[in-house]
Amino acid sequence: GAVVSQHPSRVICKSGTSVKIECRSLDFQATTMFWYRQFPKQSLMLMATSNEGSKATYEQGVEKDKFLINHASLTLSTLTVTSAHPEDSSFYICSARRRGGETQYFGPGTRLLVL
Amino acid sequence: AQSVTQLDSQVPVFEEAPVELRCNYSSSVSVYLFWYVQYPNQGLQLLLKYLSGSTLVKGINGFEAEFNKSQTSFHLRKPSVHISDTAEYFCAVSGRNAGGTSYGKLTFGQGTILTVHP
Repeated sequence: GAVVSQHPSRVICKSGTSVKIECRSLDFQATTMFWYRQFPKQSLMLMATSNEGSKATYEQGVEKDKFLINHASLTLSTLTVTSAHPEDSSFYICSARRRGGETQYFGPGTRLLVL
Repeated sequence: AQSVTQLDSQVPVFEEAPVELRCNYSSSVSVYLFWYVQYPNQGLQLLLKYLSGSTLVKGINGFEAEFNKSQTSFHLRKPSVHISDTAEYFCAVSGRNAGGTSYGKLTFGQGTILTVHP
């Protein structure tokens, strides 16, 4: 199988605080992980691509200082939303891909609500 | 760069009827093609994928899709739908180089909400 988990599944925080979301590949080594954002009734928008042991590559328009991504091991990537504001409220989904693989396997998503 | 167009934002059908969800893409390079399904408040589950070989690919839950290079399409079909197929379906594409390695980034269509009525 190719199972990807995310934690937490849902988080509510106050404006100005930071929130960390974890993405884990449970039964395979993920050399590449991707972070997406999905607004209600919209498609997924890629935020950044992270390769294990190197800096993430951010898509145009995504603030790297606001959305900190760390991919320290072959099974774990984290997304930290720093100084969160209500407009950061969204559904964040990660995916993971094996070395040389073509397929991304998605986590269940994290619903972030910033009050 | 790639782009994906899902021609129908919503498709209502009755249970046990056939369904086709349409997907067209554009790309300046060869592509890999994917269909994912998303149930409410969940992540995406891979339904099927086209990498190479036979243009007709079969996936989970009785779905299949056909890659048509000349029409740059990858339509998803199921001969008889169930209530449980109600979900949002996303078509996605990733470019690949001459060596067959994926560029990795997925470009998604806008999604098609399939609603199966009893």
